[in-house]
Amino acid sequence: KAGVTQTPRYLIKTRGQQVTLSCSPISGHRSVSWYQQTPGQGLQFLFEYFSETQRNKGNFPGRFSGRQFSNSRSEMNVSTLELGDSALYLCASSARGVGEQFFGPGTRLTVL
Amino acid sequence: AQSVTQLGSHVSVSEGALVLLRCNYSSSVPPYLFWYVQYPNQGLQLLLKYTSAATLVKGINGFEAEFKKSETSFHLTKPSAHMSDAAEYFCAVSDPKNTGKLIFGQGTTLQVKP
Repeated sequence: KAGVTQTPRYLIKTRGQQVTLSCSPISGHRSVSWYQQTPGQGLQFLFEYFSETQRNKGNFPGRFSGRQFSNSRSEMNVSTLELGDSALYLCASSARGVGEQFFGPGTRLTVL
Repeated sequence: AQSVTQLGSHVSVSEGALVLLRCNYSSSVPPYLFWYVQYPNQGLQLLLKYTSAATLVKGINGFEAEFKKSETSFHLTKPSAHMSDAAEYFCAVSDPKNTGKLIFGQGTTLQVKP
């Protein structure tokens, strides 16, 4: 089975812009979770989608949003980018959202 | 609220020595526990998991971990370190009722000296 894929791998944006990141889960997995990884805050949960519905949400501002499509692919959007949004964004998939998650390689976002 | 504490942000061992990475958790419900490894510029790879079956869990690459409820610990060990084990290791906990969310420790960077 192919693993979790994320595109693009690297992004450079400027403050105030918006960005969309994409994640394709492992075939058959219906749950997709997103995480932000920074040196200062570590790994923090953003949100989880299951069958096109957001089931769980972390403590991030409304500028961070996401969606899931009928084929389980997910996108994450960040609007009005701030310097502090520079991070590695990781997507993870699981069969049901309970238990182990399988991670993609991440998208490295740099905000200038 | 659930939380995870990894003792020691950096651990250094010699090649062939025992690896011990410490993880303590707090959880109000029986947790699922995981160890992940992250190599530079990569995502996280699952090493092993505890989901209320056997308390001694064997994972990939010779790693294992023991769940000790009385100590709320889930320490990761490997009898003999290889140079290729140098990476960052994360302990994580999940609540079966809080879907899709893993709570991670701060991570431990393992250095392996020749």
